[in-house]
Amino acid sequence: AQKVTQAQTEISVVEKEDVTLDCVYETRDTTYYLFWYKQPPSGELVFLIRRNSFDEQNEISGRYSWNFQKSTSSFNFTITASQVVDSAVYFCDPTGGNQFYFGTGTSLTVIP
Amino acid sequence: KAGVTQTPRYLIKTRGQQVTLSCSPISGHRSVSWYQQTPGQGLQFLFEYFSETQRNKGNFPGRFSGRQFSNSRSEMNVSTLELGDSALYLCASSLARTQETQYFGPGTRLLVL
Repeated sequence: AQKVTQAQTEISVVEKEDVTLDCVYETRDTTYYLFWYKQPPSGELVFLIRRNSFDEQNEISGRYSWNFQKSTSSFNFTITASQVVDSAVYFCDPTGGNQFYFGTGTSLTVIP
Repeated sequence: KAGVTQTPRYLIKTRGQQVTLSCSPISGHRSVSWYQQTPGQGLQFLFEYFSETQRNKGNFPGRFSGRQFSNSRSEMNVSTLELGDSALYLCASSLARTQETQYFGPGTRLLVL
């Protein structure tokens, strides 16, 4: 079974600051995928990124970047130059077996 | 392409009643998963259906059930509602395999009085 830890329950930053959301997971699977989802106040989860456990190359997409380190079982997410619209709950989800396991989420508030 | 739709969006029920929620996946998606989200428990997996068969099931009592139709639309039923069933119920669809990206609907917010 998977276990996901998003130790940061709530984070507040001032607009334009950079912020990193941490995700640490446990898995017995040798092959798995890692996802990040964003849940704005409207409630609908929005897919952000999907990574294969074999691919440890870090990725940048606009203001978003992800740091995947298999050796430490971490898949951290960084928002550069945060904006008010980034305010949301962010969920990390490692899935390798037959179920989806979500972390408890990190609530990010960007203060204008 | 239309996204995942869920009906109804809001629902108020009383204890002991039953409720049925509906989810229409993205066209072409054959897997539908259901989640319960509450402030205390976070996002918890209920079950997943693929090709009209329940493929995976989370740790919920038998009062929670579901089904999937041949057009991939899915329904979730909760019988004998309890106050603790008040939650946001989210449906997600994906192409086929469990490890595919999930696309979520807006959710059904259920309040049990």
